Amino acid sequence: TQLLEQSPQFLSIQEGENLTVYCNSSSVFSSLQWYRQEPGEGPVLLVTVVTGGEVKKLKRLTFQFGDARKDSSLHITAAQPGDTGLYLCAGSPGTSYDKVIFGPGTSLSVIP
Amino acid sequence: SQTIHQWPATLVQPVGSPLSLECTVEGTSNPNLYWYRQAAGRGLQLLFYSVGIGQISSEVPQNLSASRPQDRQFILSSKKLLLSDSGFYLCAWSMGTYGYTFGSGTRLTVV
Repeated sequence: TQLLEQSPQFLSIQEGENLTVYCNSSSVFSSLQWYRQEPGEGPVLLVTVVTGGEVKKLKRLTFQFGDARKDSSLHITAAQPGDTGLYLCAGSPGTSYDKVIFGPGTSLSVIP
Repeated sequence: SQTIHQWPATLVQPVGSPLSLECTVEGTSNPNLYWYRQAAGRGLQLLFYSVGIGQISSEVPQNLSASRPQDRQFILSSKKLLLSDSGFYLCAWSMGTYGYTFGSGTRLTVV
């Protein structure tokens, strides 16, 4: 069974600080996605990475896919209260593009 | 553009009552459709997925069932709800490797 782990589980920081959250697995994924979810809402897709070593930037958010396609990181620069939410990573297994595995999430709180 | 609608937003049902949650997608054809359940503030558990009309795959043995009567309609049902069925239910669609688009979710409380 393929599993995704995320760390830290909870993170509370001051506005303006930088942070990195991690998504790890012992399995290889054909692609990996990051979502942000606000309370009472469905997750919203932020990015999909498909190539080992790939780096994508979305404004103050930087996503990296590990060279071996087993892990990923999300770095936020100068966090803002609007970044508060649950960050979920999700990986597509190596043999199927249609079904993803979700990690348990990192709950981020940015304090003004 | 593609949109996904899920309703109702909240639902309080007594134990033993039936359940029907509906999800519809607009702006796309033959999407893959999914039902997930989420524990409070945590990760998602895949319940059912469908790659076409009448094609349902179940991931977790449980008190729930799913149906896809039309290409862009996905329904989650139960004949008799249990307390353990309480949770946040999410419908999603995908067209391959580009990720999922989720509905806004249904908060189900079984009392």
